[in-house]
Amino acid sequence: DAGVIQSPRHEVTEMGQEVTLRCKPISGHDYLFWYRQTMMRGLELLIYFNNNVPIDDSGMPEDRFSAKMPNASFSTLKIQPSEPRDSAVYFCASSPDGGGEGYTFGSGTRLTVV
Amino acid sequence: AQRVTQPEKLLSVFKGAPVELKCNYSYSGSPELFWYVQYSRQRLQLLLRHISRESIKGFTADLNKGETSFHLKKPFAQEEDSAMYYCARLNEKLTFGTGTRLTIIP
Repeated sequence: DAGVIQSPRHEVTEMGQEVTLRCKPISGHDYLFWYRQTMMRGLELLIYFNNNVPIDDSGMPEDRFSAKMPNASFSTLKIQPSEPRDSAVYFCASSPDGGGEGYTFGSGTRLTVV
Repeated sequence: AQRVTQPEKLLSVFKGAPVELKCNYSYSGSPELFWYVQYSRQRLQLLLRHISRESIKGFTADLNKGETSFHLKKPFAQEEDSAMYYCARLNEKLTFGTGTRLTIIP
């Protein structure tokens, strides 16, 4: 298994542009999580899905952020419009059962909004 | 709210010296706790979990319910231990602390 796959690895965009981050979880994992990593706040959970259904999106900072999981093998995190303060590393993680086995993280997408 | 506190953002230790990375959690029942590690330019990965009571790469972590702590320890630091360490608690989802960047000084 190739693990959790995220794309792109790096994204540089101008303020106001739309940004879409992608994630392919491990096959068979029913849970998918989106985290944001910054120096000031560490790892923050943005949203998570169970069987493609969003369960908790209380960590989504603003309406500019949205996430979808149209099927078990794909999820997107979209920021529209992007702002410089959105610059961070965004991680996707998947888990077979919600945590008992621990999460498997992707390599992350480093987003820079200029 | 379930909280995980890592009081040290940065920690520098000489090679061969003991290491202790602190983690405290807010009390609530029987917590399930983890340590994750992120080496330079690598993905975040599970280091150890308290229910396994295992030692990974020489690291151990003991759950102290009285002090609500789950400190990560290693008796002799190695240069390859330099990394970002996150303590995490599971309660429907993993809640992470803010992390501690450990630097081992040669």
